Amino acid sequence: AQSVSQHNHHVILSEAASLELGCNYSYGGTVNLFWYVQYPGQHLQLLLKYFSGDPLVKGIKGFEAEFIKSKFSFNLRKPSVQWSDTAEYFCAVNAYNNNDMRFGAGTRLTVKP
Amino acid sequence: EPEVTQTPSHQVTQMGQEVILRCVPISNHLYFYWYRQILGQKVEFLVSFYNNEISEKSEIFDDQFSVERPDGSNFTLKIRSTKLEDSAMYFCASSGRGANTGELFFGEGSRLTVL
Repeated sequence: AQSVSQHNHHVILSEAASLELGCNYSYGGTVNLFWYVQYPGQHLQLLLKYFSGDPLVKGIKGFEAEFIKSKFSFNLRKPSVQWSDTAEYFCAVNAYNNNDMRFGAGTRLTVKP
Repeated sequence: EPEVTQTPSHQVTQMGQEVILRCVPISNHLYFYWYRQILGQKVEFLVSFYNNEISEKSEIFDDQFSVERPDGSNFTLKIRSTKLEDSAMYFCASSGRGANTGELFFGEGSRLTVL
């Protein structure tokens, strides 16, 4: 089965700093990749997704992620974070033709005003 | 905007008791899921459900768990005899297509506390 690892447990940044959250997956076949965000007290929401095509995917709120197949990675980036980006970020993967979506452990992002 | 709704938002129960968590998926969705998140840990897949039967389940989803779609709108997770380690946030999700192509829409979660 596929698995996901997120390298950073807790990231603390100041406003306007650049962000990169690491995500690596383990699966030999075709995958679909997702980043979800969970704001404090809220449910999981989709930030962006990759199915095929351009490996650089743009999502909501200025986030983007790049799929690097050779590295089995799907890192999330944002050039300039805001206080409102404080949340938990989850990378997720599911194997093609599989309804079993697996999540990483999550990275808590704290942005200081 | 259509959304997935879950009830109760928080349930406290005694160990050994049965618990039913309820979910109303988005109305035209066909695939339904339960995930759980133990405090401070990652979101874990429990089960997916399609066409009135389980399509995938994880090793966590043992005999004490069951799912049901009793009518056209509800999707329930039953924990037959709760254990302390079942304390977690349980998220329901639905998608219009399979998770391998579609986006999962999540409910706000049901927090289960087992004493």
